[in-house]
Amino acid sequence: DSGVTQTPKHLITATGQRVTLRCSPRSGDLSVYWYQQSLDQGLQFLIQYYNGEERAKGNILERFSAQQFPDLHSELNLSSLELGDSALYFCASTGGAGSGNTIYFGEGSWLTVV
Amino acid sequence: GIQVEQSPPDLILQEGANSTLRCNFSDSVNNLQWFHQNPWGQLINLFYIPSGTKQNGRLSATTVATERYSLLYISSSQTTDSGVYFCAVGIGNTPLVFGKGTRLSVIA
Repeated sequence: DSGVTQTPKHLITATGQRVTLRCSPRSGDLSVYWYQQSLDQGLQFLIQYYNGEERAKGNILERFSAQQFPDLHSELNLSSLELGDSALYFCASTGGAGSGNTIYFGEGSWLTVV
Repeated sequence: GIQVEQSPPDLILQEGANSTLRCNFSDSVNNLQWFHQNPWGQLINLFYIPSGTKQNGRLSATTVATERYSLLYISSSQTTDSGVYFCAVGIGNTPLVFGKGTRLSVIA
């Protein structure tokens, strides 16, 4: 158990819909990262938050947004979903005392858009 | 941006065999981690190894930062070692850049 919790584990939704993925980082970790893993693109970095502030942005579509709340949990919002958004979405955290730069991944949220 | 190349892309081993996976990266980094993604999709951190050598049971890793490569050694492979092994690099706690992985299949 990495200590990073993601919900839901599986999600099936229709094109055009909106979903929210939730992540609770490891206790004490201040940085949260979101990654997308699809069959043809590998693991792609989407966005990073550090202690509530956006720190870095990767290949995140304008239809996607994220935030980190005061209790450090994070949400990734995906809207106007397309078939190509079907993927495994990972949250990861790091930066707490004792973990340093070691990054720990949650189990992922499997999103299927039909 | 940083480029990460992993080789070989695919590897099939008989149970009990040893293997070496390689990760080459294009720029100086001070953060390098190896991960195992099991058949259920879980990404498990194996090593944080920006330089030097570490061992954990049947697994060991070596990073030669000055030559921009890292090696992951798997000895006496078991079927549970099957999955995809990823190398990821970065600077500090900036977002890690992942290679495309090495898909390992261990056959009994």
